[in-house]
Amino acid sequence: GQQLNQSPQSMFIQEGEDVSMNCTSSSIFNTWLWYKQDPGEGPVLLIALYKAGELTSNGRLTAQFGITRKDSFLNISASIPSDVGIYFCAGQAQGGSQGNLIFGKGTKLSVKP
Amino acid sequence: EAGVVQSPRYKIIEKKQPVAFWCNPISGHNTLYWYLQNLGQGPELLIRYENEEAVDDSQLPKDRFSAERLKGVDSTLKIQPAELGDSAVYLCASSSGQGNEQFFGPGTRLTVL
Repeated sequence: GQQLNQSPQSMFIQEGEDVSMNCTSSSIFNTWLWYKQDPGEGPVLLIALYKAGELTSNGRLTAQFGITRKDSFLNISASIPSDVGIYFCAGQAQGGSQGNLIFGKGTKLSVKP
Repeated sequence: EAGVVQSPRYKIIEKKQPVAFWCNPISGHNTLYWYLQNLGQGPELLIRYENEEAVDDSQLPKDRFSAERLKGVDSTLKIQPAELGDSAVYLCASSSGQGNEQFFGPGTRLTVL
């Protein structure tokens, strides 16, 4: 099925460093969501974005809805060991079947203490 | 508030055997989703319910997969017969309406031998 282009595929960083990851699509989306998934668990919603240009924070996490509505970015500041996991972006177009969430392949984050 | 509940968490079966997964969504959420997640991939939608009606099952392999949500609350996803390629994590999610944020359960990890 259709998927978003999410990058990087994986990241290895030192504790305390900032992290940036992004998601791009050839289609316009009306909603962007960012999830984190720990091993053996389901994805947990981190941030939801509903307007182009919107910048939203959740603690050390900040996400932006791109102006073109075809991309989104997630930043994590001052990473800590519990940030380890896989981060997924998900986009939603419009109503009907286009209203279904399309997920990226994920960015696997590893943090060295 | 209780989250999305799924059972079993793990299931190991031999190929050609039937298997069923159960999901209880967040109370009051009328939209329920079943997703398939292969290793290293993001979730992919199998079926979406609005109350008891399956409004989008275009991605459900209907030759072997079936689902039901008889009373518009909990749901069951069935595979009969299972194939080796069905080994994956099956995730259930719910939302208060399409276009709203989706909340995921922990998933059922299926291994077909």
